[in-house]
Amino acid sequence: GAGVSQSPSNKVTEKGKDVELRCDPISGHTALYWYRQSLGQGLEFLIYFQGNSAPDKSGLPSDRFSAERTGGSVSTLTIQRTQQEDSAVYLCASSLRLPAGENEQFFGPGTRLTVL
Amino acid sequence: RKEVEQDPGPFNVPEGATVAFNCTYSNSASQSFFWYRQDCRKEPKLLMSVYSSGNEDGRFTAQLNRASQYISLLIRDSKLSDSATYLCVVRDNNDMRFGAGTRLTVKP
Repeated sequence: GAGVSQSPSNKVTEKGKDVELRCDPISGHTALYWYRQSLGQGLEFLIYFQGNSAPDKSGLPSDRFSAERTGGSVSTLTIQRTQQEDSAVYLCASSLRLPAGENEQFFGPGTRLTVL
Repeated sequence: RKEVEQDPGPFNVPEGATVAFNCTYSNSASQSFFWYRQDCRKEPKLLMSVYSSGNEDGRFTAQLNRASQYISLLIRDSKLSDSATYLCVVRDNNDMRFGAGTRLTVKP
């Protein structure tokens, strides 16, 4: 079946512009995560959604970052007034439910963001 | 101190070698542990979960030492296709904390 999809795959923007990144999780997956990965670095947790509960925003690096998840499915990560240090690959992952036990996270292919 | 620490490598080994990676984590209350594999410019994919009693999946063996707060991954009889970055992942409630990864290159 279809996996996690993300769009766009690549985004080049100018410093100061706003960008929106989209994630379509696997159908039926209630948990959705956003991460970012800078070149040669590990994944940095940004935000977590579980069903209709309030999201865990503890990983968002600044108030320029926000995310929403409409109808418990598609999620949008918005970065306002982008800075060069925002350049990274933004990865979305979904899993079947709250990761009690060993529920696997399935990752999308990522959006490569470049801020000039 | 980082929440999840790994030796970044790179580990360069010949085919057929046995190689081991370690990972340490800072939160003694962490609940679940995983190894993910990430190929160059690709998304991470689950390699295996790590259970308290240790577990094996073919050539891969994972172990957890809660007292010392470290996780290990052993790869036996390494193949060229094992070349990748191996990410140690620790779950703290809702948060999945990733290590920076250990890069492995298996050479002919």
